[in-house]
Amino acid sequence: AQSVAQPEDQVNVAEGNPLTVKCTYSVSGNPYLFWYVQYPNRGLQFLLKYITGDNLVKGSYGFEAEFNKSQTSFHLKKPSALVSDSALYFCAVRDDTGGFKTIFGAGTRLFVKA
Amino acid sequence: DVKVTQSSRYLVKRTGEKVFLECVQDMDHENMFWYRQDPGLGLRLIYFSYDVKMKEKGDIPEGYSVSREKKERFSLILESASTNQTSMYLCASRTLQGPRQPQHFGDGTRLSIL
Repeated sequence: AQSVAQPEDQVNVAEGNPLTVKCTYSVSGNPYLFWYVQYPNRGLQFLLKYITGDNLVKGSYGFEAEFNKSQTSFHLKKPSALVSDSALYFCAVRDDTGGFKTIFGAGTRLFVKA
Repeated sequence: DVKVTQSSRYLVKRTGEKVFLECVQDMDHENMFWYRQDPGLGLRLIYFSYDVKMKEKGDIPEGYSVSREKKERFSLILESASTNQTSMYLCASRTLQGPRQPQHFGDGTRLSIL
């Protein structure tokens, strides 16, 4: 069965410091992995995805994510955090066996302090 | 840009009422989804539709039904609203064109059942 874990409910970081939001997954086949961001009173916005190929994926707003197959992880990173990055972040996974379902993690709230 | 529009941002209804949540997408996407979002639980799939007049139950379909008479429109119906259906409801769509596309979300409907 597919599953996604975001082990931290909340991440706090100072503006200008690097940030990491963690995600681990479990799927039957090969994983398709996604990160989304949600700002207050809005829907989810797509940030980036891993399908195959390079283990470092670059996405919107300066975010990137590192895929690690042996650790079944897909951590979201940014070299220098901005106050405007404060939001709720969701990791999601789908496998390549042809199903329609995407499984979402519970979300991690990121606070960036000025 | 893909636009997914949910008809109401906020809705207040009474227990026992039949409630309709409407969602329209403008990009001819084949797949459409309804989720509910509750704190600490992430997104849970209620129903999805892989094409017109096609629907599949998600993880929590009890108390809900859906309708997809036209490709662009996907409606969620609460047959007899109850207080435990108070939640944020998110609609999403996805194209099957091209490999492993992300979902595109509406801004959500925050539904309160009194």
